[in-house]
Amino acid sequence: GESVGLHLPTLSVQEGDNSIINCAYSNSASDYFIWYKQESGKGPQFIIDIRSNMDKRQGQRVTVLLNKTVKHLSLQIAATQPGDSAVYFCAEMASGTYKYIFGTGTRLKVLA
Amino acid sequence: NAGVTQTPKFQVLKTGQSMTLQCAQDMNHEYMSWYRQDPGMGLRLIHYSVGAGITDQGEVPNGYNVSRSTTEDFPLRLLSAAPSQTSVYFCASNPGGGAYNEQFFGPGTRLTVL
Repeated sequence: GESVGLHLPTLSVQEGDNSIINCAYSNSASDYFIWYKQESGKGPQFIIDIRSNMDKRQGQRVTVLLNKTVKHLSLQIAATQPGDSAVYFCAEMASGTYKYIFGTGTRLKVLA
Repeated sequence: NAGVTQTPKFQVLKTGQSMTLQCAQDMNHEYMSWYRQDPGMGLRLIHYSVGAGITDQGEVPNGYNVSRSTTEDFPLRLLSAAPSQTSVYFCASNPGGGAYNEQFFGPGTRLTVL
């Protein structure tokens, strides 16, 4: 079946550095992509989303890049802070399906 | 608004027992869904609903039933619990009315089946 995957299961970065978390997707019909942050013992929290008619979208300290040619999605976190430590998931959806498909997650560890 | 609420937070069942996981949202969202999250894995969709009276299967529906009699509530029923259903269960909702909407997740129910 279609799936969303991640290249790196764990990413360690120094506080203040930029973080880049990558995600590959396989369903060419997917046209909506979301990044979630999940802290220990909590439900996923929406970070940022992007539609397939865009290549880049920026939020507060976060940027999502979409490369439809190679089916790749990335989340960039600027000036990473200790509070950014969590597991990050990408998810994809094809419009009209209402079925979100999640990747396995990347754990981000911020080193002081 | 309380957002998405789930009860109970923790539950231990014996194999063969049945139970219902409760989910409610007070945002008048059309779309609600149930996921399970196993260690080291992402969330997998169990069932979803695009409105009251309408439900459909997700990726892993076997062993679970749902109903949506009201916009607010979307309970998940385990008919005969099995150890393979040990997991953390998350309920989510979004406004619906189109594909591109943020999903709001509840805090989760941690279920252990012995």
